[in-house]
Formats: sequence, structure tokens, C-alpha cells
Amino acid sequence: AQSVSQHNHHVILSEAASLELGCNYSYGGTVNLFWYVQYPGQHLQLLLKYFSGDPLVKGIKGFEAEFIKSKFSFNLRKPSVQWSDTAEYFCAVNNAGNMLTFGGGTRLMVKP
Amino acid sequence: DTGVSQDPRHKITKRGQNVTFRCDPISEHNRLYWYRQTLGQGPEFLTYFQNEAQLEKSRLLSDRFSAERPKGSFSTLEIQRTEQGDSAMYLCAPSGSTGDTQYFGPGTRLTVL
Repeated sequence: AQSVSQHNHHVILSEAASLELGCNYSYGGTVNLFWYVQYPGQHLQLLLKYFSGDPLVKGIKGFEAEFIKSKFSFNLRKPSVQWSDTAEYFCAVNNAGNMLTFGGGTRLMVKP
Repeated sequence: DTGVSQDPRHKITKRGQNVTFRCDPISEHNRLYWYRQTLGQGPEFLTYFQNEAQLEKSRLLSDRFSAERPKGSFSTLEIQRTEQGDSAMYLCAPSGSTGDTQYFGPGTRLTVL
């Protein structure tokens, strides 16, 4: 069975600080990787995804993630966070288009 | 706009009652997934459909839960004899034929008293 772990449960940053959220998964086969974001009071939204090709993927709102196959990792990054990035971030993985397995989420608070 | 609506958005019920939720994708999607999310956790897979066929069910889906997708478009999730542990956000996520990218609806928040 596949599993996803997100190391940081809560992160507090000041505006303009750089962000990196860790995500590791366990699955031996080919996987698709996702980051979803949930802003306060809103539904889950897709931030970015990786299926194949360039392991550095760019998403919406200046976010990017790097797939490192040897480390089973898919960390999310943003060079300079804004107050509006305050949200909960979920890493997820699936294989061959099946159900998603999510990590426990990281709650990010950006102080203005 | 998520491309999918869920109804109701909130449901409060008493323990032992039956509840039914509905998920309506705006456009055609071959696959439709149901997930459950409790506070402070990531969503957990419940079941999914390929057109009308229910192809996989999680062990989380006890026999009190049943889901249908009669015409391959909208889907319903019914919980019979609700328990307090069923309190959660129930999410549906339509997907294309490959099932690779799932876009989530706003969810139905269930509270069982």
C-alpha cells in the first residue's frame, strides 16, 4: 500500500520568507504526484502535478515542486510567500490513475 | 468554480438516521471518486466509479455506506444508521478517463449528534 508523509504539520513564516514543505511517499512503482491547497473556508484546489518529464514542475501562484525519485520526495517550494498563501497544503500520490493517497497536510500561516 | 456541485453543503443529523449526499459534475467525466476528510487530516479514499460501475471500495466503507452512479453522471452516497464517527466532510472528485487528475467539489459537511 502506498503512503504519504508530510513532515511539517504547522509552519509559520513572515511575508517574503521562502517556503519549502516536505513530502515523501512510499510506493515502488510509477506514481503521479500532486500538491493541493485548501484556503480557509474553501475547497481543495490543485496547485500542481507531476506525471512525467521534467522533475521540476511549476504550478499556480508561483509555487513549484521537485520530484526526486531516488529520495521518494516531492517537496513544494515558493521563493517568497505572501499573506494570501495562508492555507493548508496536501501532498498526494496515485498510481495509474487510481485513487489518491494524501498526506496529513501542512498548515501554513504567513504573518503580514 | 470547481466544475462540480455537491448537495447539501451542510447536514446535521441525529445518530441512527439515514443521510444521502449528491455529487453533480458539470460536464461529463468517466470517473468519479468519493473521499472523506476529518478535521486536521488529509482526505481518505472511499470508493470510485468508472461510468456506472463501482470499481473499488475502501475498507473504510462499512456496510452502512452505499454509493451509486446510475447514469454515469451524478452520484449519490448514502449512510444508513449514522454514527458520531461518521462526522466528516464528504468530497467528490470527478476525473477524466485516465483518472489521473481529480478536481474536488466543495464537499458536504456532515455532523452527527
